[in-house]
Amino acid sequence: QQPVQSPQAVILREGEDAVINCSSSKALYSVHWYRQKHGEAPVFLMILLKGGEQKGHDKISASFNEKKQQSSLYLTASQLSYSGTYFCGTSNTNAGKSTFGDGTTLTVKP
Amino acid sequence: SAVISQKPSRDICQRGTSLTIQCQVDSQVTMMFWYRQQPGQSLTLIATANQGSEATYESGFVIDKFPISRPNLTFSTLTVSNMSPEDSSIYLCSVVGTGFDQPQHFGDGTRLSIL
Repeated sequence: QQPVQSPQAVILREGEDAVINCSSSKALYSVHWYRQKHGEAPVFLMILLKGGEQKGHDKISASFNEKKQQSSLYLTASQLSYSGTYFCGTSNTNAGKSTFGDGTTLTVKP
Repeated sequence: SAVISQKPSRDICQRGTSLTIQCQVDSQVTMMFWYRQQPGQSLTLIATANQGSEATYESGFVIDKFPISRPNLTFSTLTVSNMSPEDSSIYLCSVVGTGFDQPQHFGDGTRLSIL
C-alpha cells in the first residue's frame, strides 16, 4: 500500500525550515527517506525502524511515531543543496523492498 | 554502501524492439530489485530479482514483457521486450546489502526513450 506524502511541494528561502510527512493506514516495519536531484538516482538519507525513534545527521533528521504509521523528515536551516524531491519508502516486513510515496519537491531559493 | 553500475545509462529504441539493462554490484547483496520511474513520478517496483530462480513480479508486470535474470549475488539484467512509447521511462536497479535491516541503494538508472 502506497504511503501518503505531504506536502507535494515546498518553496523555501535559505535558512528556513521544512517538514515533510509520510503516513500509512497500517503499522509499518520500517521507513526509509531518500532525496533525488533532477536527472540523478535517489540517495538514501536514513532508515527508521522503531516506534518513537528519532534520528538524524547534520541538519536533517526524522522521526517515526509510536504507532509506526507516520514519519516526518525535518530539514532545518535549509541550504541550496537541499533542493530536490524527497521520497519516503515504507516496508511492511523485513523483506527489503519498499513502496514509495509520490514525493515532495523541495526548492530552496537564495 | 555498495557501488552499483547500471548499463546503458540511456538509449533511444525503435518500437517493437527489446533492450537489456545490466546491473552490476561491487559486493554481494541479499536483494536486488528493478523499479520504473516515469518523469516527475514516484518509483514503481517491477520485480524482485531472485538469485538462481524466477523473479517475483508485482501486480501489473509480467515476465513476458520484463524478463529478469540474476545468475549470481552481484549481477542482474532486466529486458524490456517488444517496446512501445508507453515504455519510455527511467529504469532503476536497487540493492539491499547483507546484514539486518539494511536500506535500499539505487543505481544511476537507464533513461529509455521509444520512438
